[in-house]
Amino acid sequence: EVHLLDSGGGLEQPGGSLRLSCAASGFTFSTYAMTWVRQAPGKGLEWVSTIGPGGSDTYYADSVKGRFTISRDNSKNTLYFQMNSLRAEDTAIYYCAKALRQAIGRDFDSWGQGTLVTVSS
Amino acid sequence: EIVLTQSPASLSLSPGERATLSCRASQSVSNNLGWYQQKPGQAPRLLIYDASNRATGIPARFSGSGSGTDFTLTISSLEPEDFAVYYCQQRSDWPLTFGGGTKVEIK
Repeated sequence: EVHLLDSGGGLEQPGGSLRLSCAASGFTFSTYAMTWVRQAPGKGLEWVSTIGPGGSDTYYADSVKGRFTISRDNSKNTLYFQMNSLRAEDTAIYYCAKALRQAIGRDFDSWGQGTLVTVSS
Repeated sequence: EIVLTQSPASLSLSPGERATLSCRASQSVSNNLGWYQQKPGQAPRLLIYDASNRATGIPARFSGSGSGTDFTLTISSLEPEDFAVYYCQQRSDWPLTFGGGTKVEIK
């Protein structure tokens, strides 16, 4: 059974940094693209970033490009999200999600439980 | 950026009724569209991929149709557990985008 465990969220001041993690199990992590999706309080879903299976291909929403970095450690079955220069508008639940298909990483069949990031002074 | 517009924003129906949800794309996405269900306090769940394929474990009362710019999610007979928010998502091009959601409420 696929299991994704998000962690690392919390309260941070504007301009600060946080690092999210997503520990994966139940599938061959190194062969699937992984993605972060966020949801601001009471709002809809927003795609934020995707990383290919090998880690060399990365994609970002314009809203986070240059501030956030997605990475993965396939030896540890773990996905990361380094969030720098945080803004109030980054406040959201962040979900990691597994790609449905190995070759195409753009839709998501398994999700973590989410970790809440709050940016406030 | 491909904009997905979902309608209606909310739908009030009774158990046993049929629900029809719409998702319109600002440009063609071929069949590269999926549907997700989200209940309060839970992560989203994939229902439909490639416009019309049910994901693993999804009941047959859920069906998807459409291609190009117009898509429909149909729930043939609402069960109590189906009252939730539904999102469409396109995977045709970066950035990946979601629709604003349709909330299906109990009448």
